[in-house]
Amino acid sequence: EDQVTQSPEALRLQEGESSSLNCSYTVSGLRGLFWYRQDPGKGPEFLFTLYSAGEEKEKERLKATLTKKESFLHITAPKPEDSATYLCAVPHTGGFKTIFGAGTRLFVKA
Amino acid sequence: EPEVTQTPSHQVTQMGQEVILRCVPISNHLYFYWYRQILGQKVEFLVSFYNNEISEKSEIFDDQFSVERPDGSNFTLKIRSTKLEDSAMYFCASRSQTGPTDTQYFGPGTRLTVL
Repeated sequence: EDQVTQSPEALRLQEGESSSLNCSYTVSGLRGLFWYRQDPGKGPEFLFTLYSAGEEKEKERLKATLTKKESFLHITAPKPEDSATYLCAVPHTGGFKTIFGAGTRLFVKA
Repeated sequence: EPEVTQTPSHQVTQMGQEVILRCVPISNHLYFYWYRQILGQKVEFLVSFYNNEISEKSEIFDDQFSVERPDGSNFTLKIRSTKLEDSAMYFCASRSQTGPTDTQYFGPGTRLTVL
């Protein structure tokens, strides 16, 4: 069964303290992996799509990487405005459904 | 920048009543989705819609749910007889036709509260 597991559930950082969020996935054939940011009471906001192992994408302080079993979202020198829940998702094998992980809640303190 | 819009932002209804949640997808997108997120839980897939028909639905999407694209711009989710457990955020999403893993863009959501 396709699965997405994110860790840690919550992460508290000081401003400027770099760290990484993990997304482990189990799918029969990976057709892509998505990272979204979600603020409380809002819809998921697209960040990155990764398609193959070894691929990396960057946006401001965020960098997403992909291996055959997991993806990492690296946050460099985070700011308080980076506080949000970060969601990882993969397309279900052979269908249109997208499976989301439970997310990592990131808190960045000034 | 094009975006997905949803109305209303918050809907309060009595158990057993029908509700219709509305979405306007990005204009050149052809694939449409509904998801829900119960407070504190994962985003869950409900249904996908393409070429005026349902392409896939989850176990959650039972006979109480229906979707429709009544015109060239709107995409609706109807819940015929709401239950307490239908209380959740409902998100609409759309994507273009360039590939099965093309990015889905989400709307801001409708918070449904069933009393």
